Amino acid sequence: DQQVKQNSPSLSVQEGRISILNCDYTNSMFDYFLWYKKYPAEGPTFLISISSIKDKNEDGRFTVFLNKSAKHLSLHIVPSQPGDSAVYFCAASLDSNYQLIWGAGTKLIIKP
Amino acid sequence: GAGVSQSPSNKVTEKGKDVELRCDPISGHTALYWYRQSLGQGLEFLIYFQGNSAPDKSGLPSDRFSAERTGGSVSTLTIQRTQQEDSAVYLCASSLALGGAYYGYTFGSGTRLTVV
Repeated sequence: DQQVKQNSPSLSVQEGRISILNCDYTNSMFDYFLWYKKYPAEGPTFLISISSIKDKNEDGRFTVFLNKSAKHLSLHIVPSQPGDSAVYFCAASLDSNYQLIWGAGTKLIIKP
Repeated sequence: GAGVSQSPSNKVTEKGKDVELRCDPISGHTALYWYRQSLGQGLEFLIYFQGNSAPDKSGLPSDRFSAERTGGSVSTLTIQRTQQEDSAVYLCASSLALGGAYYGYTFGSGTRLTVV
């Protein structure tokens, strides 16, 4: 069963506007969430993370929001830039001794 | 090295042949993971190694797949009698310890395997 779900395979956003990528999870025991970004022909790279004790974490143009009651997190990119075009993976962890559980990814396309 | 190195970057093989994919993790990283990404799909976990513990092979899709990690460093993923459905990008990642949430995963650039 998919414990981490990214239901949108792709998303197209105008340059300069806000991009919102969504991720849902089923296991309420997850205690840490991460977003990775992947360009073609490269491995995923870490983008931003959030602990389950917080509901928001911000890093420059990137903000991750966590809604524990809804088991939902989202990544906001403001403003969107052409270099943000990539596949974004959501991942979750049960505890410090457990590997990450990955979503299927969302392909973000930023239109000029 | 500075990053996770994978070789070859591309591999085309005939159906039925065996292939070996190599991963050289970051020095000092005790945890090593193999994933694959088929066209249009997400990251599919294959296997991980953590220190001297027995590897978690729960993600290997069939007994044609096997992996080794020698000396707690370099890992080789072997696919025997390749099939067309094995075509994918095979990604290796390493981290300081098993807890990827706290230590972060560093991925290699992957090996694109095409079985013809």
